[in-house]
Amino acid sequence: DQQVKQNSPSLSVQEGRISILNCDYTNSMFDYFLWYKKYPAEGPTFLISISSIKDKNEDGRFTVFLNKSAKHLSLHIVPSQPGDSAVYFCAARGTSGTYKYIFGTGTRLKVLA
Amino acid sequence: GAVVSQHPSRVICKSGTSVKIECRSLDFQATTMFWYRQFPKQSLMLMATSNEGSKATYEQGVEKDKFLINHASLTLSTLTVTSAHPEDSSFYICSASPANQPQHFGDGTRLSIL
Repeated sequence: DQQVKQNSPSLSVQEGRISILNCDYTNSMFDYFLWYKKYPAEGPTFLISISSIKDKNEDGRFTVFLNKSAKHLSLHIVPSQPGDSAVYFCAARGTSGTYKYIFGTGTRLKVLA
Repeated sequence: GAVVSQHPSRVICKSGTSVKIECRSLDFQATTMFWYRQFPKQSLMLMATSNEGSKATYEQGVEKDKFLINHASLTLSTLTVTSAHPEDSSFYICSASPANQPQHFGDGTRLSIL
């Protein structure tokens, strides 16, 4: 049972435009969500996170939105740059007191110059 | 920033061999480290939580006798794949969290069993 889902395996965006990556989850007990970026042959790198008590968190070109009623979060990258091309994973942390992350299957973003 | 180092980055060995993978937190102490496995085009699946000074906690379906975890110090956890077979070929990756920070990941180990 996939508790965290990224239904788009890939996404292509023109440089300078907005990239929107989506993630859905099923467990309403998740209290913390994260986005990681992964290049080939490297480990995931933390990008941005959001607590379940918020609906938006912004850090430079990256903004994460959380819609708890829909159990949906999204990552917006604007403007997109070729260096943003990577696989993006969303992750959810289990119930408070544990530190286990559950990852989605990833979305491969390609930013076209 | 916090750095997690994983070694080796790539292993190719014969079936039946045992393989040890090391995960080190370089500039912070980690009482807990995590081991994941990733198959091609799939998610990172948590295998086990490594606890310093105590037994690891394995996720459902992960054989603890197959994947031995040792966390003998606050900066080192090891995963040993015992008697590896081709179906154990995968990308193994560890992570650790500095206090109150998101998990930081190593660069992973590509294990190929012939």
